[in-house]
Amino acid sequence: DIQMTQSPSSLSASVGDEVIITCRASQSIGSYLNWYQHKPGKAPNLLIYGASILQSGVPSRFSGSGSETDFSLTISNLQPEDCATYYCQQSYSLLFTFGPGTKVEIK
Amino acid sequence: QVQLVESGGGVVQPGRSLRLSCVASGFTFTNYAIHWVRQAPGKGLEWVAIIWYDGTNKYYGDSVKGRFTISRDNSKNTLYLQMNSLRGEDTAVYYCARVGARGYQYGMDVWGQGTTVTVSS
Repeated sequence: DIQMTQSPSSLSASVGDEVIITCRASQSIGSYLNWYQHKPGKAPNLLIYGASILQSGVPSRFSGSGSETDFSLTISNLQPEDCATYYCQQSYSLLFTFGPGTKVEIK
Repeated sequence: QVQLVESGGGVVQPGRSLRLSCVASGFTFTNYAIHWVRQAPGKGLEWVAIIWYDGTNKYYGDSVKGRFTISRDNSKNTLYLQMNSLRGEDTAVYYCARVGARGYQYGMDVWGQGTTVTVSS
Protein backbone atom coordinates (compact mmCIF):
# COMPACT_ATOMS: atom_id res chain seq x y z
CA ASP A 1 0.00 0.00 0.00
CA ILE A 2 1.06 3.58 -0.62
CA GLN A 3 1.65 5.48 2.62
CA MET A 4 1.11 9.22 2.85
CA THR A 5 2.78 11.54 5.34
CA GLN A 6 2.12 15.22 6.01
CA SER A 7 3.97 17.99 7.78
CA PRO A 8 3.49 19.77 9.98
CA SER A 9 0.80 17.96 11.95
CA SER A 10 -0.49 21.34 13.11
CA LEU A 11 0.32 25.00 12.72
CA SER A 12 -0.84 28.38 13.93
CA ALA A 13 -0.65 31.42 11.68
CA SER A 14 -2.04 34.93 11.47
CA VAL A 15 -4.66 36.28 9.11
CA GLY A 16 -2.93 37.32 5.91
CA ASP A 17 -0.02 34.88 6.30
CA GLU A 18 1.06 32.36 3.68
CA VAL A 19 0.84 28.76 4.89
CA ILE A 20 2.51 25.76 3.25
CA ILE A 21 1.59 22.15 4.03
CA THR A 22 3.67 19.34 2.59
CA CYS A 23 2.67 15.80 1.70
CA ARG A 24 4.94 12.89 0.77
CA ALA A 25 4.03 9.59 -0.82
CA SER A 26 5.94 6.37 -0.10
CA GLN A 27 6.30 5.75 -3.84
CA SER A 28 5.82 7.73 -7.02
CA ILE A 29 2.17 8.62 -7.67
CA GLY A 30 2.65 10.95 -10.63
CA SER A 31 0.21 13.81 -10.19
CA TYR A 32 -2.59 11.74 -8.67
CA LEU A 33 -2.72 13.75 -5.47
CA ASN A 34 -5.75 15.53 -4.05
CA TRP A 35 -6.22 17.97 -1.17
CA TYR A 36 -9.25 18.33 1.09
CA GLN A 37 -10.36 20.79 3.74
CA HIS A 38 -12.33 19.36 6.65
CA LYS A 39 -14.09 21.38 9.32
CA PRO A 40 -15.62 19.73 12.44
CA GLY A 41 -19.17 18.55 11.88
CA LYS A 42 -19.01 19.25 8.15
CA ALA A 43 -18.37 17.17 5.07
CA PRO A 44 -14.83 17.29 3.68
CA ASN A 45 -14.37 19.65 0.74
CA LEU A 46 -12.20 18.97 -2.32
CA LEU A 47 -9.78 21.84 -2.86
CA ILE A 48 -7.21 20.59 -5.37
CA TYR A 49 -7.09 17.54 -7.65
CA GLY A 50 -4.41 16.31 -9.99
CA ALA A 51 -1.83 17.91 -7.65
CA SER A 52 -2.42 21.44 -8.93
CA ILE A 53 -5.90 21.83 -10.43
CA LEU A 54 -8.18 24.08 -8.41
CA GLN A 55 -11.62 22.61 -7.88
CA SER A 56 -14.46 24.79 -9.13
CA GLY A 57 -15.66 27.27 -6.53
CA VAL A 58 -12.53 27.09 -4.38
CA PRO A 59 -10.88 30.46 -3.67
CA SER A 60 -7.76 31.18 -5.66
CA ARG A 61 -5.70 31.69 -2.49
CA PHE A 62 -5.46 27.87 -2.41
CA SER A 63 -2.87 26.33 -4.71
CA GLY A 64 -1.14 22.99 -5.09
CA SER A 65 2.13 21.85 -6.58
CA GLY A 66 4.40 18.86 -6.82
CA SER A 67 4.69 15.51 -8.54
CA GLU A 68 5.95 11.94 -8.05
CA THR A 69 6.45 11.77 -4.26
CA ASP A 70 6.55 15.36 -2.97
CA PHE A 71 3.62 17.74 -2.93
CA SER A 72 2.53 20.93 -1.23
CA LEU A 73 -0.61 22.92 -0.54
CA THR A 74 -0.22 26.68 -0.20
CA ILE A 75 -2.78 28.96 1.37
CA SER A 76 -1.98 32.56 0.51
CA ASN A 77 -3.48 35.39 2.52
CA LEU A 78 -4.85 33.11 5.25
CA GLN A 79 -8.45 33.90 6.25
CA PRO A 80 -10.32 33.07 9.48
CA GLU A 81 -12.58 30.65 7.58
CA ASP A 82 -9.51 28.61 6.60
CA CYS A 83 -9.31 27.22 10.12
CA ALA A 84 -9.66 23.47 9.43
CA THR A 85 -7.78 20.21 9.02
CA TYR A 86 -6.25 19.61 5.61
CA TYR A 87 -5.69 16.15 4.14
CA CYS A 88 -3.79 14.95 1.12
CA GLN A 89 -5.01 11.78 -0.61
CA GLN A 90 -3.44 9.66 -3.32
CA SER A 91 -5.58 8.27 -6.14
CA TYR A 92 -2.78 6.56 -8.10
CA SER A 93 -3.57 3.21 -6.47
CA LEU A 94 -7.02 1.67 -6.16
CA LEU A 95 -6.22 1.32 -2.48
CA PHE A 96 -6.79 5.00 -1.88
CA THR A 97 -5.01 6.49 1.13
CA PHE A 98 -5.20 9.78 3.01
CA GLY A 99 -2.44 11.55 4.83
CA PRO A 100 -2.78 11.98 8.61
CA GLY A 101 -3.92 15.59 8.30
CA THR A 102 -2.61 19.05 9.17
CA LYS A 103 -4.63 21.17 11.58
CA VAL A 104 -4.50 24.88 10.76
CA GLU A 105 -5.37 27.35 13.49
CA ILE A 106 -5.57 31.12 13.41
CA LYS A 107 -3.49 33.08 15.92
CA GLN B 1 -28.88 20.41 -6.17
CA VAL B 2 -26.21 17.73 -6.26
CA GLN B 3 -26.53 15.84 -3.01
CA LEU B 4 -25.63 12.66 -1.16
CA VAL B 5 -27.51 11.73 2.00
CA GLU B 6 -26.35 8.90 4.26
CA SER B 7 -28.50 6.99 6.73
CA GLY B 8 -28.52 3.78 8.73
CA GLY B 9 -26.00 4.61 11.44
CA GLY B 10 -26.59 3.78 15.07
CA VAL B 11 -25.31 1.89 18.08
CA VAL B 12 -24.54 -1.78 17.52
CA GLN B 13 -22.88 -4.47 19.60
CA PRO B 14 -19.51 -5.92 18.63
CA GLY B 15 -19.85 -8.82 16.23
CA ARG B 16 -23.21 -7.66 14.89
CA SER B 17 -24.08 -6.22 11.49
CA LEU B 18 -25.34 -2.91 10.15
CA ARG B 19 -26.19 -1.60 6.67
CA LEU B 20 -25.62 1.98 5.67
CA SER B 21 -27.36 3.69 2.76
CA CYS B 22 -26.46 6.73 0.68
CA VAL B 23 -29.11 8.28 -1.56
CA ALA B 24 -27.98 10.45 -4.46
CA SER B 25 -29.88 13.28 -6.12
CA GLY B 26 -29.22 16.10 -8.54
CA PHE B 27 -26.90 14.17 -10.84
CA THR B 28 -26.87 11.06 -13.01
CA PHE B 29 -25.97 8.45 -10.40
CA THR B 30 -25.25 5.77 -12.98
CA ASN B 31 -22.35 7.82 -14.40
CA TYR B 32 -20.26 7.90 -11.24
CA ALA B 33 -18.22 5.61 -9.06
CA ILE B 34 -18.79 6.23 -5.35
CA HIS B 35 -16.58 5.85 -2.26
CA TRP B 36 -17.19 5.22 1.41
CA VAL B 37 -14.81 7.11 3.71
CA ARG B 38 -14.85 7.14 7.51
CA GLN B 39 -13.47 9.16 10.38
CA ALA B 40 -13.06 7.61 13.81
CA PRO B 41 -13.33 9.90 16.84
CA GLY B 42 -10.23 12.07 17.10
CA LYS B 43 -8.68 10.46 14.03
CA GLY B 44 -8.17 11.37 10.40
CA LEU B 45 -10.01 10.35 7.26
CA GLU B 46 -9.77 6.68 6.26
CA TRP B 47 -10.79 5.35 2.87
CA VAL B 48 -13.12 2.34 3.16
CA ALA B 49 -14.28 1.20 -0.27
CA ILE B 50 -15.16 2.20 -3.83
CA ILE B 51 -17.65 0.78 -6.33
CA TRP B 52 -17.63 1.40 -10.06
CA TYR B 53 -20.51 3.27 -11.72
CA ASP B 54 -22.03 -0.01 -12.90
CA GLY B 55 -21.10 -2.08 -9.85
CA THR B 56 -18.66 -4.25 -11.79
CA ASN B 57 -15.59 -3.40 -9.75
CA LYS B 58 -15.24 -3.01 -6.00
CA TYR B 59 -12.15 -2.34 -3.90
CA TYR B 60 -11.72 -2.27 -0.13
CA GLY B 61 -9.34 -0.95 2.47
CA ASP B 62 -7.32 -3.56 4.33
CA SER B 63 -9.07 -2.89 7.66
CA VAL B 64 -12.53 -3.80 6.30
CA LYS B 65 -11.75 -6.35 3.58
CA GLY B 66 -13.73 -9.55 4.12
CA ARG B 67 -16.13 -7.91 6.59
CA PHE B 68 -17.69 -5.02 4.64
CA THR B 69 -19.46 -5.17 1.27
CA ILE B 70 -20.16 -2.19 -0.94
CA SER B 71 -23.05 -2.35 -3.39
CA ARG B 72 -25.41 -0.11 -5.31
CA ASP B 73 -28.91 -0.10 -6.77
CA ASN B 74 -28.84 2.25 -9.73
CA SER B 75 -32.61 2.00 -10.13
CA LYS B 76 -32.92 3.62 -6.69
CA ASN B 77 -29.93 5.98 -6.91
CA THR B 78 -28.67 4.33 -3.74
CA LEU B 79 -25.31 3.11 -2.48
CA TYR B 80 -24.97 0.63 0.37
CA LEU B 81 -22.34 -0.52 2.83
CA GLN B 82 -23.05 -3.84 4.51
CA MET B 83 -20.91 -4.05 7.62
CA ASN B 84 -20.52 -7.44 9.29
CA SER B 85 -18.50 -8.64 12.30
CA LEU B 86 -18.30 -5.10 13.59
CA ARG B 87 -15.50 -4.12 15.97
CA GLY B 88 -14.94 -1.19 18.30
CA GLU B 89 -12.45 0.27 15.86
CA ASP B 90 -15.23 0.55 13.27
CA THR B 91 -16.79 3.31 15.38
CA ALA B 92 -16.75 6.35 13.10
CA VAL B 93 -18.65 8.83 11.02
CA TYR B 94 -19.17 7.23 7.62
CA TYR B 95 -19.32 9.41 4.52
CA CYS B 96 -20.23 8.56 0.96
CA ALA B 97 -18.37 10.58 -1.64
CA ARG B 98 -18.67 10.84 -5.41
CA VAL B 99 -15.63 10.55 -7.64
CA GLY B 100 -14.72 13.65 -9.60
CA ALA B 101 -16.22 14.17 -13.03
CA ARG B 102 -12.91 13.28 -14.67
CA GLY B 103 -12.78 9.90 -12.98
CA TYR B 104 -11.66 8.14 -9.82
CA GLN B 105 -8.13 9.47 -10.08
CA TYR B 106 -9.27 13.07 -9.72
CA GLY B 107 -10.59 13.33 -6.21
CA MET B 108 -13.93 13.09 -4.43
CA ASP B 109 -15.96 16.15 -5.35
CA VAL B 110 -19.32 15.65 -3.60
CA TRP B 111 -19.69 14.35 -0.06
CA GLY B 112 -22.61 13.53 2.18
CA GLN B 113 -22.90 14.89 5.70
CA GLY B 114 -22.11 11.52 7.23
CA THR B 115 -23.84 8.96 9.45
CA THR B 116 -22.44 7.88 12.81
CA VAL B 117 -21.79 4.25 13.70
CA THR B 118 -20.96 3.35 17.29
CA VAL B 119 -19.87 -0.19 18.07
CA SER B 120 -20.24 -0.82 21.79
CA SER B 121 -21.60 -3.41 24.16
